Amino acid sequence: DSGVTQTPKHLITATGQRVTLRCSPRSGDLSVYWYQQSLDQGLQFLIQYYNGEERAKGNILERFSAQQFPDLHSELNLSSLELGDSALYFCASSARDYNQETQYFGPGTRLLVL
Amino acid sequence: SQQGEEDPQALSIQEGENATMNCSYKTSINNLQWYRQNSGRGLVHLILIRSNEREKHSGRLRVTLDTSKKSSSLLITASRAADTASYFCATVTQGGSEKLVFGKGTKLTVNP
Repeated sequence: DSGVTQTPKHLITATGQRVTLRCSPRSGDLSVYWYQQSLDQGLQFLIQYYNGEERAKGNILERFSAQQFPDLHSELNLSSLELGDSALYFCASSARDYNQETQYFGPGTRLLVL
Repeated sequence: SQQGEEDPQALSIQEGENATMNCSYKTSINNLQWYRQNSGRGLVHLILIRSNEREKHSGRLRVTLDTSKKSSSLLITASRAADTASYFCATVTQGGSEKLVFGKGTKLTVNP
């Protein structure tokens, strides 16, 4: 158990809908990262937040957005969903905004868009 | 875009044998990390090696890093059926953010 929690574990929705994925980092960790894992694209970095502020952006679509709240939990919002958004979405956390840190991954949310 | 490329894509061995997986990357890095993923589950951090380190050990794991060749290897000794999983290398690029850039992984099967 990494100490990172993600809800829900599974999500089934329809195209065009909007969903919110939630992540609680390990106690004391200030950085939260979101990754998407799909069969064709592999594991892709989406976005990083550090202590409430956006720190880095990766291959995140404009239809997707995220935020980190004062209690450090984070939410990833996916809107106008398409079939291709079906994937595993992982959240990870690390202690500091520091290049040498290990990231701890949550169990993921499996999203299926029908 | 993928930074690391693992090799081989799939590896099948018998219990007790050693498993070696390789990873090549393209840009200068701060560190390289290896993760394990059991089927459809979360990633588990195995080991982190910094760019100024050449070799690191953790239990049955041995990781080497050759920055001149931009490559790393993960050796699992005396493998067990429980080692069956996908193994990913991930890099933190020098001068960039702390994001991890993952390879496509090696799927390891250890047969009992």
